Amino acid sequence: NAGVTQTPKFQVLKTGQSMTLQCAQDMNHEYMSWYRQDPGMGLRLIHYSVGAGITDQGEVPNGYNVSRSTTEDFPLRLLSAAPSQTSVYFCASSYSTQGREKLFFGSGTQLSVL
Amino acid sequence: KQEVTQIPAALSVPEGENLVLNCSFTDSAIYNLQWFRQDPGKGLTSLLLIQSSQREQTSGRLNASLDKSSGRSTLYIAASQPGDSATYLCAVRRSSASKIIFGSGTRLSIRP
Repeated sequence: NAGVTQTPKFQVLKTGQSMTLQCAQDMNHEYMSWYRQDPGMGLRLIHYSVGAGITDQGEVPNGYNVSRSTTEDFPLRLLSAAPSQTSVYFCASSYSTQGREKLFFGSGTQLSVL
Repeated sequence: KQEVTQIPAALSVPEGENLVLNCSFTDSAIYNLQWFRQDPGKGLTSLLLIQSSQREQTSGRLNASLDKSSGRSTLYIAASQPGDSATYLCAVRRSSASKIIFGSGTRLSIRP
């Protein structure tokens, strides 16, 4: 199993550019989510999904869009990048069976917006 | 709104000591609580998960406890080693279909 795969690992954008961070999991997990991690602020939830066709906002959704057309994929779109979006982004997925679950994380994407 | 707090933000102890990391949350109606480890430049690795109905979970030298009524969880690390140096984060979930909220983490350094 590949687990949770994030691409790219590094990206530099200019202000106003758009891009999509890719996230894919091969574990048939229902729950997928995107977090950003900034120094001293821990992980903040951007968007999450509890199944294909279902998405919801997290703590810091502004400037980001998501979609969940399949169970496997959960891309994060930046429509018009801003310097405030410079951060490390993590995608995560989890299953929940009989009350037990485990959260799996991708290796992260370091994004710089100039 | 659920808020998760971890204090202190950083902790440094000599090798061999037993230590406790703290996590507090404002809404006691949780589904589960997880503890994670993050090494510099890496993603997060799940350490322990405590269901709402449980009081503690153990894995090797790690023991996590949960007290919902007081909104607190602790992660106990026995006989600390330099390899335990990392950032430790806790996260709570309200229900099986809800979002997972993280604390800001405690950066732990074990001095040889």
